[in-house]
Amino acid sequence: AQKITQTQPGMFVQEKEAVTLDCTYDTSDQSYGLFWYKQPSSGEMIFLIYQGSYDEQNATEGRYSLNFQKARKSANLVISASQLGDSAMYFCAMREGRGGSNYKLTFGKGTLLTVNP
Amino acid sequence: KAGVTQTPRYLIKTRGQQVTLSCSPISGHRSVSWYQQTPGQGLQFLFEYFSETQRNKGNFPGRFSGRQFSNSRSEMNVSTLELGDSALYLCASSDGTGAYNEQFFGPGTRLTVL
Repeated sequence: AQKITQTQPGMFVQEKEAVTLDCTYDTSDQSYGLFWYKQPSSGEMIFLIYQGSYDEQNATEGRYSLNFQKARKSANLVISASQLGDSAMYFCAMREGRGGSNYKLTFGKGTLLTVNP
Repeated sequence: KAGVTQTPRYLIKTRGQQVTLSCSPISGHRSVSWYQQTPGQGLQFLFEYFSETQRNKGNFPGRFSGRQFSNSRSEMNVSTLELGDSALYLCASSDGTGAYNEQFFGPGTRLTVL
């Protein structure tokens, strides 16, 4: 079973509008971290936002917010006031903490966001 | 602080050759991880080093190896290159090892195997 599922291969949004990118995850660990990264066509992975499994409040970073619903195992990324520069591939990732023995990030397949003027 | 740097940025090799990629983490970061990104398989974890020790390894053949030096710089080596090794190789560094420590990525090395 996939650990990270991003069901939207591609999304379109009008400039200045908000957009939600979906992410669901699967883990039996109580301690884990959820991350969103942006990858422009240049290839570099840019860290956007992080949510810890024990965090009670949704994470926010500028125009980015993470809608964390633990019971549903979802961690959707919300981008407010989209800009043309937001056009990129977006990846949801999870890092599980099994007593310090598992350090890798597991990524979803990504969502290609296109912002239209 | 300077970000994660990777060298070279682009590389073209032929089948059967070997290649070494380099990654310098953010100053003070002791954890370095490597990932392979291909259109078909997406992002896959290769291995992770912390204080010169490999602590986790992904499901890749033994042709893929790595090491970390005392200054936390890391190298990844692929021997007997195959066409399927063509990919973007990303290095990431972290200042901690728990689930809460975000990883910061370098620009990647794009390897093409002919």
